[in-house]
Amino acid sequence: DIVMTQSPDSLAVSLGERATINCKSSQNLLHSSTNKNYLVWYQQKPGQPPRVLIYWASTRESGVPDRFSGSGSGTDFTLTISSLQAEDVAVYYCQQYYSTPLTFGQGTKVEIK
Amino acid sequence: QVQLVQSGAEVKKPGSSVKVSCQASGGTIIGNAINWVRQAPGQGLEWMGGIIPIFDQVNYAESFQDRVTITADESSNTVYMEIISLRSEDTALYYCARGLHSGWNNWLDPWGQGTLVTVSS
Repeated sequence: DIVMTQSPDSLAVSLGERATINCKSSQNLLHSSTNKNYLVWYQQKPGQPPRVLIYWASTRESGVPDRFSGSGSGTDFTLTISSLQAEDVAVYYCQQYYSTPLTFGQGTKVEIK
Repeated sequence: QVQLVQSGAEVKKPGSSVKVSCQASGGTIIGNAINWVRQAPGQGLEWMGGIIPIFDQVNYAESFQDRVTITADESSNTVYMEIISLRSEDTALYYCARGLHSGWNNWLDPWGQGTLVTVSS
């Protein structure tokens, strides 16, 4: 199974400041036949199911504010919120879809400082 | 736009079983994988398995394959997830979620609203 490890487990950022979440996979998620990284980022707010933010590691989902961006390749990935807003308080998960079982990072809780 | 609607909350005794449904509206489920994801209270997300109805293909995570059965009823556009021999550790929110494209190698979108299963004597 591919193990996904996020860091940090939680972070507190001031409004308008940058938030950075890291995700490391135990195996390469870059598929040679497609040249794509099989990694997605979700946002989950309390009482709601997860919502897709970024797929293929760096493609922003339609309707997602452009302050959210994804980067990285292979085994190391980053989700960046360039200017934190109050509505961004949530838990963020990465998930690999390179192979089953699909596996998630443990989650990173983002709060306002 | 496909929406997934799950059945309501359940309270079960240890050792019993539970069957949760996930019905799609606004589109068909048969060509995509419908996955089940568990979230224990205050915890993260765990993939349990899924089904691709058009191929009658099921895929389970190893930790769930002995106690979980996932089935589909194409006529009603509904997928079911049954857990047997329930124990207290199965208390969780259970989500169904569709794989966006065909096959298993997908991100999950949309998600159902979640079904809370509480196992308590």
